[in-house]
Amino acid sequence: AQSVAQPEDQVNVAEGNPLTVKCTYSVSGNPYLFWYVQYPNRGLQFLLKYITGDNLVKGSYGFEAEFNKSQTSFHLKKPSALVSDSALYFCAVRDASNTGKLIFGQGTTLQVKP
Amino acid sequence: DGGITQSPKYLFRKEGQNVTLSCEQNLNHDAMYWYRQDPGQGLRLIYYSQIVNDFQKGDIAEGYSVSREKKESFPLTVTSAQKNPTAFYLCASSSGGARTDTQYFGPGTRLTVL
Repeated sequence: AQSVAQPEDQVNVAEGNPLTVKCTYSVSGNPYLFWYVQYPNRGLQFLLKYITGDNLVKGSYGFEAEFNKSQTSFHLKKPSALVSDSALYFCAVRDASNTGKLIFGQGTTLQVKP
Repeated sequence: DGGITQSPKYLFRKEGQNVTLSCEQNLNHDAMYWYRQDPGQGLRLIYYSQIVNDFQKGDIAEGYSVSREKKESFPLTVTSAQKNPTAFYLCASSSGGARTDTQYFGPGTRLTVL
């Protein structure tokens, strides 16, 4: 079965410190992986995606993600966290069938403290 | 959220009442999707449409219906058969149904059953 796991419900970091939000996946075939961010009562905003090529993907707002095929992981990172990065983050993998649907993890709340 | 609008932002439904959630996009995208978001569960696919006049059931279609008469519009009706409709509903679109295509999300509609 295809799935995405985000093992941490919440991640707390101090402003200015590096942050990592973890994601592991299970999918048949090539993995197409996405990260989205959601602010309270808002829709999801696309951050970045991995399709193929370089394992380090750069995205919006200074975020990047590292694809690791052997560990089936796609962790989201940022070198220096901002208070405004505090939000709910979702990792997703594109379904291998022809539905085109995204399979989402349960989300990780990032709390950046001043 | 740019390019995809959802209305209303908040919706209250009485027991036994059907309600329709609007989703419009001006991105000229072929594919559109409806997801449901419940706390701590990530997003689940309700219905999707990869082309005008065609749509398919997702993972949790029971109690919902859709139409796709125009490329830019994909309304979702929550019927009285949906036993637990209180949730945050998100509409998304992508240029096509390819697995590499990015899905972009609208701002969402929060539905509450009174």
